[in-house]
Amino acid sequence: SYVLTQPPSVSVAPGQTARITCGGNNIGSKSVHWYQQKPGQAPVLVVYDDSDRPSGIPERFSGSNSGNTATLTISRVEAGDEADYYCQVWDSSSDHHVVFGGGTKLTVL
Amino acid sequence: QVQLQESGPGLVKPSQTLSLTCTVSGGSISSGDYYWSWIRQPPGKGLEWIGYIYYSGSTYYNPSLKSRVTISVDTSKNQFSLKLSSVTAADTAVYYCARGAYYCGGDCSTVFDYWGQGTLVTVSS
Repeated sequence: SYVLTQPPSVSVAPGQTARITCGGNNIGSKSVHWYQQKPGQAPVLVVYDDSDRPSGIPERFSGSNSGNTATLTISRVEAGDEADYYCQVWDSSSDHHVVFGGGTKLTVL
Repeated sequence: QVQLQESGPGLVKPSQTLSLTCTVSGGSISSGDYYWSWIRQPPGKGLEWIGYIYYSGSTYYNPSLKSRVTISVDTSKNQFSLKLSSVTAADTAVYYCARGAYYCGGDCSTVFDYWGQGTLVTVSS
C-alpha cells in the first residue's frame, strides 16, 4: 500500500515561513490535499489538488508537489497557525483507497 | 452550507459492534460525485480512513479494516452509517464522517471538503 511520510514536528517563529513536507513514491503524479487540525476540532481543508485553496483560506497557505515530495508552505506564520497538518492522497492503484500522512505538529515559537 | 453530524453510543464493550450514523443537512446525499466517508483518529494519533460509500451503494474500505467494516446509506433519511464488528480497545477513537468530493483533472482524486465535528467512541467493559 502507498505510504506518506511527514516529519513529526516543525517549529517556526512568528512572521517566518513554515514548510511542511509529505514524502511518497512518485507523489508528484498524484493530487495532494492538506488539512489543518487544531486541538479538539475536526480537520479543515487548507490546500487541495497540490496548490489550490478553498474559499476562506488565507493566501499565506500554498502548496507544491514534484518528484517524491509535496510541500505545504505557510508564509508570515501567525500564532493561530499552530496546529497539526496532514497530507492526503487518493491511491488510484489500489481500488479507491485513501491515504493520510502521519501528521506534522507545527509549533509557533 | 453542507453540515454533517455523527450520532451513536459513546461506549462499546469489547467484541461487540460499534454503530454510528451520520446525518447530512444542507444538501442531498444522492447528488453529485461524492463519497460519503468515515475517518477515525485514536487519541493522540493521526487520521485513518475507514471507508466510504457512493449514494448508489458502492463501497470501498481500508484493507486493514475491511473484514470488520460495513458502511451503508439511507437516501430517504439523508444518512449513512458505519458498523465495525468485534471491536477492541484499539478501536477507541474519535470517529468523523466527511464528504469526499471525487474529481478528475490531470489525475483523479477524492478530497474531504466537509467534516462532522467527530464523536468519541470508547471500547471498554
